[in-house]
Amino acid sequence: GQQVMQIPQYQHVQEGEDFTTYCNSSTTLSNIQWYKQRPGGHPVFLIQLVKSGEVKKQKRLTFQFGEAKKNSSLHITATQTTDVGTYFCAGRGTSYDKVIFGPGTSLSVIP
Amino acid sequence: DTGVSQNPRHKITKRGQNVTFRCDPISEHNRLYWYRQTLGQGPEFLTYFQNEAQLEKSRLLSDRFSAERPKGSFSTLEIQRTEQGDSAMYLCASSFRGGEKLFFGSGTQLSVL
Repeated sequence: GQQVMQIPQYQHVQEGEDFTTYCNSSTTLSNIQWYKQRPGGHPVFLIQLVKSGEVKKQKRLTFQFGEAKKNSSLHITATQTTDVGTYFCAGRGTSYDKVIFGPGTSLSVIP
Repeated sequence: DTGVSQNPRHKITKRGQNVTFRCDPISEHNRLYWYRQTLGQGPEFLTYFQNEAQLEKSRLLSDRFSAERPKGSFSTLEIQRTEQGDSAMYLCASSFRGGEKLFFGSGTQLSVL
């Protein structure tokens, strides 16, 4: 079955440093979504990527979808304490398929 | 848009008891998902519905778990003969249609003693 992996599992950065998390799927995806979960909270949608090689930006966050539509990355420039949380990628095999989540990357930001 | 509502927020039960959780999705959302999440892990897919039809149930899920979505509105997840390994956060999510972003509820935290 479809599996979604993420690395690293944990990342501790000094405030102001950059952060990147990588996501890999065992199968080609129709689209990939990214979610953020704050400690004690529930996952909240950040963005969806659909096209091969797509790059989208949200302020300090840059999301990329691989050419083969099997991998993705999230890059945060100049981290802030408000970026603390766990970032999950989630993929679909087809447009109307179930959504499978990766294990997440937990980000800690040291002020 | 009142958001996805889950009840109860917490449930403590003894091993062997049955429990039932409820999820009220966002109105007009026809997709509804159930996930299970343990500490430090990502949401694990359990099952999902398109309106009242259950499209898929995880093969990892034992027969003790059952979900329904009568009339395509709210959904219930029942766990029979609970085991300590069932202790987790049970999350419900909905989307307007397939292929779109998920809106999660706050979850039901289950503790099996």
